This record gives sequence, structure tokens and C-alpha cells, in this order.
Amino acid sequence: GAGVSQSPSNKVTEKGKDVELRCDPISGHTALYWYRQSLGQGLEFLIYFQGNSAPDKSGLPSDRFSAERTGGSVSTLTIQRTQQEDSAVYLCASSLNGSGGKTYGYTFGSGTRLTVV
Amino acid sequence: GNSVTQMEGPVTLSEEAFLTINCTYTATGYPSLFWYVQYPGEGLQLLLKATKADDKGSNKGFEATYRKETTSFHLEKGSVQVSDSAVYFCALGSSNTGKLIFGQGTTLQVKP
Repeated sequence: GAGVSQSPSNKVTEKGKDVELRCDPISGHTALYWYRQSLGQGLEFLIYFQGNSAPDKSGLPSDRFSAERTGGSVSTLTIQRTQQEDSAVYLCASSLNGSGGKTYGYTFGSGTRLTVV
Repeated sequence: GNSVTQMEGPVTLSEEAFLTINCTYTATGYPSLFWYVQYPGEGLQLLLKATKADDKGSNKGFEATYRKETTSFHLEKGSVQVSDSAVYFCALGSSNTGKLIFGQGTTLQVKP
């Protein structure tokens, strides 16, 4: 696609429920990143995919968080048993390759605003 | 580990004032440095970048110079406009994974 697409744009869920957030990167971009933006917390790295594998998942906050990527394209971030502290904007970004952080920078999606009530 | 520190906001300026937003970093190796901007209600956009020491990134009247000796990448603009009101993020790029490490963000408000 022309840009990075994320869905849903907004999600309100009850504490304890599972949620799935979707990211569709720019066609041909092999690198995909998930970040979390919390109020007053800046941007927090969650996980990095190169193709379908995740060489760096060091930022996932707990085992309630998981992510996968299939076909080298779409990625899904799943949060199980959501907690109120999971409320944040979840941002996805893609880059031509893993050098994006070195040379090109990323293209970000508009994010999914998750609210856990 | 690698880290980025930005000046705290909010920064409030009058139109046509000079802008400086400070950014310093700690890193091993030779990272790239970026400024991203987030306008109200929009996603993050790459504003400018520099990939090696002494490089100057520039875009839309904004400039930043990669200073290895002071480990800094301060953002400057000579004359701000109301439309520049946004949150600005300084970021450091990992040479290994492409991961970006962001500063906390600085909110800029420009008043007419």
C-alpha cells in the first residue's frame, strides 16, 4: 500500500479481555516495528521483525504481549488479559530493510489508540 | 545502553521567534540521528536526519547538526510559524537492528 495502515484506529476494551491490533506495512518493506506511546512516556520500543522472524523482542512488557508477522507483510500484536496500564497508542512502522534505523528512518502508521476500562 | 535526552517542554514561542530544542545522546558505535514531528491528531513523520558526524539534516526550515564531540543533535529554526506547533521527538538509530530509541518528546506551541 501507499502507507502503513493500522486497524482499528480506536479500541475500547474491558479489563481482562484479549485484543488484537493489526499493521499492514508498505509493500516491499521487510522491516516492521511496533512501538507504544503512553501519555508522558514517550515512545517505547516493543518488537522488531525482519521478514517473518523477530530478532529483537526485548521491548515486550510481559508475556501477555505477543506479535507475529506472516508472509513478510501483515503483523498482529496481541495483548492477552488486558490491564489498565496497557492503555496507550500502539504505533507500527516499516522500513525498506533493517537498515531503516541507521539510514532511512521509518514510515509510521497513524496508530491504534487502546483504552482499557 | 543507548539513550536520548531531550529538553523538557512545553516550549511556547511567539511567531517568528528563533527555536532551539536540545537533544543529547549516549551511544556506542556510530548511530544515525533523527528528528520526528507529530502534528496534532496525526502520526509521526520524519522531519530530518543525519547519518554521520558533522552532517547537517534540514527540512522545512528546520536544521540539526550531528555533533559527535558534544553528543548532541539540537533542532533549530530561525523563524517559527503557528503551523509548527507540534510534538518533536529526537531519535537515535541502532546500527544493528534498525531499532530507534526516542527521546521523551518536546511540545512546541507557537502563538500568533
